[in-house]
Amino acid sequence: ILNVEQSPQSLHVQEGDSTNFTCSFPSSNFYALHWYRWETAKSPEALFVMTLNGDEKKKGRISATLNTKEGYSYLYIKGSQPEDSATYLCAFDNQGGKLIFGQGTELSVKP
Amino acid sequence: GAGVSQTPSNKVTEKGKYVELRCDPISGHTALYWYRQSLGQGPEFLIYFQGTGAADDSGLPNDRFFAVRPEGSVSTLKIQRTERGDSAVYLCASSLDTYNEQFFGPGTRLTVL
Repeated sequence: ILNVEQSPQSLHVQEGDSTNFTCSFPSSNFYALHWYRWETAKSPEALFVMTLNGDEKKKGRISATLNTKEGYSYLYIKGSQPEDSATYLCAFDNQGGKLIFGQGTELSVKP
Repeated sequence: GAGVSQTPSNKVTEKGKYVELRCDPISGHTALYWYRQSLGQGPEFLIYFQGTGAADDSGLPNDRFFAVRPEGSVSTLKIQRTERGDSAVYLCASSLDTYNEQFFGPGTRLTVL
């Protein structure tokens, strides 16, 4: 059974705080690690697709790192804003077609 | 361009009833995926299609669940004799081909009373 774990389960921060969350995944049969941002009543939005060990990707105030040897990825948000409030999902991709998701980190940013 | 659309956005039904959930993928995408997200969990894979055929249906929980994609475009997820435990958000995604980035629809929230 392939297990993908995310922590923390939920996070409450103040506007302007920087924050980070963790995704751990199997270190074998790795093809890609996906990060999605999911706001209530909207479609999950792809943030990053990470494939290479040591990869670091950035999109505005959000960045992510990848360690495939030890099986973890970090997502960082610098200077959180209320509009960053959402559930952040990571998904393990072993090139089998289907994605295996973690349970998500629910972020709430208070103004 | 148009993204993945799902209808209905919400469905409330009674235990024992039959429901159909529809997914319209992005035009030209040959792969289509169904996932289910229950409360407090991440999305769980149900089934995926490459073209008209089900390439992997290992995630369907039991034989009450069935999905079709007869013309390789729109897909319908069918649930017979619904149970309260079927209540969840059902997500559909499509990709250009298998192993390409998946684009998600907004989901159908199913509530079984």
